[in-house]
Amino acid sequence: KAGVTQTPRYLIKTRGQQVTLSCSPISGHRSVSWYQQTPGQGLQFLFEYFSETQRNKGNFPGRFSGRQFSNSRSEMNVSTLELGDSALYLCASSERQGIAEAFFGQGTRLTVV
Amino acid sequence: AQSVSQHNHHVILSEAASLELGCNYSYGGTVNLFWYVQYPGQHLQLLLKYFSGDPLVKGIKGFEAEFIKSKFSFNLRKPSVQWSDTAEYFCAVTSLSGGYNKLIFGAGTRLAVHP
Repeated sequence: KAGVTQTPRYLIKTRGQQVTLSCSPISGHRSVSWYQQTPGQGLQFLFEYFSETQRNKGNFPGRFSGRQFSNSRSEMNVSTLELGDSALYLCASSERQGIAEAFFGQGTRLTVV
Repeated sequence: AQSVSQHNHHVILSEAASLELGCNYSYGGTVNLFWYVQYPGQHLQLLLKYFSGDPLVKGIKGFEAEFIKSKFSFNLRKPSVQWSDTAEYFCAVTSLSGGYNKLIFGAGTRLAVHP
């Protein structure tokens, strides 16, 4: 079974631009969550999607958004990039909502210059 | 708000030493607890999890953790570490009120094991 796949692995963007990151969950998994990992703030929850609906959201500004498609693949978008958005963005998939373990992808390393 | 505290940010051990990493969470309701490990250059991997039942949980690679509800703790242990255990370890919690698919992570503990 293939794991969680995130693309691209690395991105360099300029301040003010927007970026879209992609996540393909493990086959059969319907819940996808996104996390931001930085040296200063650690791992922080961004949002979770299940059945194409956002079910939960963390404390991030509206510049951070996401969506989920009918095949459970998910994208997250960051608009008007700031230097502080430089981070490793991790996607995790779970079989279902409720008590379940999350499996993480390798992440996308975003650098904003 | 829920939070997770990991007491040690950096731990340095020699091979064969015993390991205990502390983790405390702040939430009075039913929780699910996890330990994840991140080896250098690799993705987060689940070491072990506690949902219910026996509070002593055994995971992969010889790790175990004990859930002590009265102390809000879920400490990770390994009797004898190896050089290959060098990694960053994260404790995490989910709950019904917070959303079962929303992991709240601790700050992490960097473990360095010297041969």
